[in-house]
This record gives sequence, structure tokens and C-alpha cells, in this order.
Amino acid sequence: SQTIHQWPATLVQPVGSPLSLECTVEGTSNPNLYWYRQAAGRGLQLLFYSVGIGQISSEVPQNLSASRPQDRQFILSSKKLLLSDSGFYLCAWAGTNTDTQYFGPGTRLTVL
Amino acid sequence: AQKVTQAQTEISVVEKEDVTLDCVYETRDTTYYLFWYKQPPSGELVFLIRRNSFDEQNEISGRYSWNFQKSTSSFNFTITASQVVDSAVYFCALSEAYSGGYQKVTFGTGTKLQVIP
Repeated sequence: SQTIHQWPATLVQPVGSPLSLECTVEGTSNPNLYWYRQAAGRGLQLLFYSVGIGQISSEVPQNLSASRPQDRQFILSSKKLLLSDSGFYLCAWAGTNTDTQYFGPGTRLTVL
Repeated sequence: AQKVTQAQTEISVVEKEDVTLDCVYETRDTTYYLFWYKQPPSGELVFLIRRNSFDEQNEISGRYSWNFQKSTSSFNFTITASQVVDSAVYFCALSEAYSGGYQKVTFGTGTKLQVIP
């Protein structure tokens, strides 16, 4: 069966520091991968998606970036965090020929 | 453009009551898919159901049931005999027909359900 992992689970970072969040999927090949952000008490905002290695599309301009160095690995990064980057970051995967997205456990990021 | 509206921001019910979560959607496509996800306090979104636009049959899974009405563009979710473990934020979502590659899913803003013991 497929599983999706995210780490770290929680993170507290100062403003201006770098960020790296990792997401990995097991049990499937060539998944579509997604990064979402959920601000406190808000809905989901799609940040990035990827349909293959090295293929990244951005939905919202921001100081974040994403990379997909391996088929089942998706990384969210920032060179300098802003206070507004605080939130709950969710990674999701979907099969190649389907649209049902399955979510990881999430990373709660607090920028101070 | 796709849009999903969950007008109920928060709902509180007493345990064992039935509760219905509303979802209204907008799309120009004739083929589309609708979803419900549950987000418990732990944060992970749990997939509950996926329905395609050609299947308007209501679905029941245990205490959960879904009422899809194309005529009113609604896909409502009912929990029968609610339990404390049902307390969560529930998201309704919509995607266009799959055409290969990226599939955009539009989420509603969620309804927070609190079941009081």
C-alpha cells in the first residue's frame, strides 16, 4: 500500500532563516505531487505541483520554492522565511491517471 | 473557473444527533469529480469519498451518507448519530475531468464540526 511521509512534524524558525521541508511517497511510481499551505483556521492553498522529476509548477508567487530530485521525493524550500510563511504545510500525492489526492501528516511551521 | 462553497463555517451538535454539511459547487465542465475530506485535530486530511458527475446515486457508508444533486450543484454530507470522534474540519472539493498530467482540485474553506458529548 502507498504511504506518504513528511518531516519534520513541527518546526519553529526565526524570520530570515532558511527552510527545507521534505515529503516522500512509498508504494507508487511517478505520482503527481503537491504542496499546500493552510493558514490557521483557513482553507487549503495550493503552492506547487509536480508531474515528474524536475518538473515544478508554481500556483502562487512567493518566497518559497519546490524541487523534485527523485520520483517520490518533493522538497519545499525557502532562502529567507517571512512571518507570513507560518502555517500548516501539507504534501499530497495522486496516481498518474487519477485525481484523488492523498495527504501526508503535515508540518506545522511557526516563524517568529 | 471552479468554485466550492461551504457556507457553514462551524457547526455544533450534541452526540447522537444527525448533522448535514453543505457543499455547493460551480464548474463549466460537464465531467467533473467531487470529494469530501476529513481533517481531525491531528491535521492530516483523510480522504472520504470521490464521486463523478455522471453518478448521482446517493451513497451510504456506515453512518456517513452523501447526497449529490446536479440540479442544485450540491454535494451534501450527512453524519447520522454523530459521535465525538466525528469532530473535525470537513472539506468539500472539486476537480475537472482528468486529461493527463496535472489535475487541479479546488477545495472549499471547510466546515468545522464539533460534537458535544
